[in-house]
Amino acid sequence: DTAVSQTPKYLVTQMGNDKSIKCEQNLGHDTMYWYKQDSKKFLKIMFSYNNKELIINETVPNRFSPKSPDKAHLNLHINSLELGDSAVYFCASSQDLLGGAKNIQYFGAGTRLSVL
Amino acid sequence: KQEVTQIPAALSVPEGENLVLNCSFTDSAIYNLQWFRQDPGKGLTSLLLIQSSQREQTSGRLNASLDKSSGRSTLYIAASQPGDSATYLCAVKTGANSKLTFGKGITLSVRP
Repeated sequence: DTAVSQTPKYLVTQMGNDKSIKCEQNLGHDTMYWYKQDSKKFLKIMFSYNNKELIINETVPNRFSPKSPDKAHLNLHINSLELGDSAVYFCASSQDLLGGAKNIQYFGAGTRLSVL
Repeated sequence: KQEVTQIPAALSVPEGENLVLNCSFTDSAIYNLQWFRQDPGKGLTSLLLIQSSQREQTSGRLNASLDKSSGRSTLYIAASQPGDSATYLCAVKTGANSKLTFGKGITLSVRP
């Protein structure tokens, strides 16, 4: 069973469209994250949720809206897609925010978004 | 603002060699440091996590060290194998509720 699964794996869409990426973790973790990896392979945090509450919100355009219906899910909705949104988006989870092994993050396989 | 640097960006070594991957960070007040592995087209896999109070962590052929005062961490890979070929990323966390700041990674190629 995949621990952190995100769908779709590939997403090709036109500029201006609205799209969603879904993420689910079956590890029983309390904390989930969304990352963006750009064409230069630089990985940056976008959002972090702990027990469905927003903990980290980096400087991300408000076209990006995360939604956590429960602890096991953190979805990412993107409005009015732009060319610069093309990237690989990774979902991750960790047991909690505290130290030690509980802080290890487990990543999904990524969603490659291409905006044409 | 924490910045994480990994140099060189790419490394190619023959199989069997012991190697060291370097990571440096600008703010020594860290909470923990993690090393990840990323295979092409895949997500990241956590290799080792070092708490700020620790000096090193070991897992199999991997050993990661942490020197907070100098802002450095190294990942030592013993007896490298072609299967070790991947991109290795270092990431630093500065507080319990803070984000992970990633380096750009080192792409390792181990030649048979």
